[in-house]
Amino acid sequence: EAEVAQSPRYKITEKSQAVAFWCDPISGHATLYWYRQILGQGPELLVQFQDESVVDDSQLPKDRFSAERLKGVDSTLKIQPAELGDSAMYLCASSPQERDTGELFFGEGSRLTVL
Amino acid sequence: QKEVEQNSGPLSVPEGAIASLNCTYSDRGSQSFFWYRQYSGKSPELIMFIYSNGDKEDGRFTAQLNKASQYVSLLIRDSQPSDSATYLCAVRAGNMLTFGGGTRLMVKP
Repeated sequence: EAEVAQSPRYKITEKSQAVAFWCDPISGHATLYWYRQILGQGPELLVQFQDESVVDDSQLPKDRFSAERLKGVDSTLKIQPAELGDSAMYLCASSPQERDTGELFFGEGSRLTVL
Repeated sequence: QKEVEQNSGPLSVPEGAIASLNCTYSDRGSQSFFWYRQYSGKSPELIMFIYSNGDKEDGRFTAQLNKASQYVSLLIRDSQPSDSATYLCAVRAGNMLTFGGGTRLMVKP
């Protein structure tokens, strides 16, 4: 069964350091999402891509966060410098463009702890 | 800002009972509505979606939508301990899918 791949699963870093997360969506899925989920809260959209183009990044803290999906396939989310409040689960999800049921297929997530 | 509101819980029900989970949303232009289940430490998974006013049933799950009241609910019949999880309501308006904060459900044996 096709899955969304994410790495690393866990990351511990000190504040002010740089962190990067990688996501490989299900093959053929045009839409890719990065969500941040703080413990006890719902997922919050950071950025949405349609192929290689950004559809929505209104909630992305652009002073420290960046995201790219250069060839419209895999994607990288970067944080520099990391802050204590960035500790969260970073979820990548994808969906096929032609079937807009709203079903997102999530990866297992990358849990970030900033010390 | 478009909002999706849920009671955080925990909602505790005995095994075999009906669990009722509720969600309200602020954007009247919302078109479709989803319930995701998230087990502790795991990623969300879709369990139901609904587009039209009324009820939609799938096994032990029933989704209910009332667009006039901007209200969507999920009923779980014959609740099982394995249903214990956080249930996330998600609402789509245009390209945006917005999640609520989730309701934690605990089903006691």
